[in-house]
Amino acid sequence: DVKVTQSSRYLVKRTGEKVFLECVQDMDHENMFWYRQDPGLGLRLIYFSYDVKMKEKGDIPEGYSVSREKKERFSLILESASTNQTSMYLCASRLDRNYGYTFGSGTRLTVV
Amino acid sequence: AQSVTQLDSQVPVFEEAPVELRCNYSSSVSVYLFWYVQYPNQGLQLLLKYLSGSTLVKGINGFEAEFNKSQTSFHLRKPSVHISDTAEYFCAVRTGGATNKLIFGTGTLLAVQP
Repeated sequence: DVKVTQSSRYLVKRTGEKVFLECVQDMDHENMFWYRQDPGLGLRLIYFSYDVKMKEKGDIPEGYSVSREKKERFSLILESASTNQTSMYLCASRLDRNYGYTFGSGTRLTVV
Repeated sequence: AQSVTQLDSQVPVFEEAPVELRCNYSSSVSVYLFWYVQYPNQGLQLLLKYLSGSTLVKGINGFEAEFNKSQTSFHLRKPSVHISDTAEYFCAVRTGGATNKLIFGTGTLLAVQP
C-alpha cells in the first residue's frame, strides 16, 4: 500500500513564525497536493505539483508557498504564520492524472 | 467550472437504519465523481468512484452510490448503518484537462446513534 506520511500530527506555532509542513510518499508518485480543511468549508486546494520542481497554485495559495526538490517530498511553507491559518492540513499524492488520491493523516496546525 | 454541493452538513441516524447522503454537482464536461470518508483524526479514504459505465457504483463497507445525469446527482446510500460508520463524508468531482484535480464538497457528518 502507498503511504503518505505527514511529519507532524499536531503543531502549535506563534504568529509571524515561518512554518514548514512536510509530506513524504513512498511509491514514486508524480503528483502531490496540499489541501486545508476547515469546518463548513470542506477541503480547499492550496498548491499542487505534477513533478519535481514543478508547482501550480490551487484555489487559496495566498500566504503559502511550496517546495518539491525531490519526487517523494512536498513541503508546504507558511512564510509568516497568522491566526487565520489555523487549520487541518492534508497532503495527498497520486501516481499520475489517471489514478486516485492517497491522503496522509493530516497535520492540525494552531497559530497563536 | 465544476463544483460540488453537499446540502446536509450533518445527518443523524439510528443504528441499523438506512441512510442517504446527498451530493449534487455542476459540470459542463464529462464527470468523474468520488466519495471519500474521513474517520476522526484520520486522513481521507476512497469509498467509491464513478468514471463511466454502470450508474450504480458499489464501494467499500457496504456503501453504494448512483450517478444520475439528469438530476446531476451522486447520492451515497447504505441500507443499514453501524456505529462504526460515524464519520465525515466528502463528495468530490474531478476537473478535466491535462492537469485534472479533485474539487471537494463541504462534507456531511454522519452521526450514527445507538
